[in-house]
Amino acid sequence: ETGVTQSPTHLIKTRGQQVTLRCSSQSGHNTVSWYQQALGQGPQFIFQYYREEENGRGNFPPRFSGLQFPNYSSELNVNALELDDSALYLCASSPRTGTNYGYTFGSGTRLTVV
Amino acid sequence: GENVEQHPSTLSVQEGDSAVIKCTYSDSASNYFPWYKQELGKGPQLIIDIRSNVGEKKDQRIAVTLNKTAKHFSLHITETQPEDSAVYFCAATDGGSQGNLIFGKGTKLSVKP
Repeated sequence: ETGVTQSPTHLIKTRGQQVTLRCSSQSGHNTVSWYQQALGQGPQFIFQYYREEENGRGNFPPRFSGLQFPNYSSELNVNALELDDSALYLCASSPRTGTNYGYTFGSGTRLTVV
Repeated sequence: GENVEQHPSTLSVQEGDSAVIKCTYSDSASNYFPWYKQELGKGPQLIIDIRSNVGEKKDQRIAVTLNKTAKHFSLHITETQPEDSAVYFCAATDGGSQGNLIFGKGTKLSVKP
C-alpha cells in the first residue's frame, strides 16, 4: 500500500509567479485535503476535494485553487505568489469525507517565494 | 470557528521520564481529536486519535485522554526514548461535516539520553 506522495519536494518561485503542486492520494482514499504550514506553526486547512469537487475551504483567498482528478490525485494552484506564501504545503488523504476517518499526510512541498 | 490551544510549546525530559502535552478546543461540535508527530523534513504522522464518545485510549507507551466537559485533551508518553524527540501537534475537527482539522501550534519535545 503506497502512502501519500507529493511533488516536487522543493520549489523556489518569484513573487507574482504561479505555481502548481501535485499530490497522489493513498490507495483507496478518495478525499484529499491541502494544508499550509508556515515555519514553526501548525498546519492550516486550505481546502478539501471529494468526488472532484471542492468540499470545504479554509480562510484562504481565491488565488489558491485546486483540482481533483478521476484517479483521486489532486493539484494545488497558487496565483500571484506573495512572499508570505512561503511555507510547507501538505497534502492529506482520507478514505472518505467526514469525521469518521483519519488523514494520512504526505511529506510536503517546501515552497520558497523570493 | 474552532480554535485549538496547545501547551507547552517546548518540553525537555530525560530518557525514561514521562511527557504530557495538553490541548484545549473551543467548538463543542468537534468530535475527533488526533495527535500527530512531525520529524524534521517530514509530514505529520498520526500516532493516536480519540473520538468524543471515548474518554481515554492507550497504545503501548502512548495514551490520550479527553474531557469533553472541559474541552481539553492530553497526550501522555511514558518511558520516553530519544527517538520520541519531534514536534507533536494536537488537532480537532472543525465541527463541519467534512471532518477538516484545526491544529494547535505544536510542542517541540526533546528527550535527552
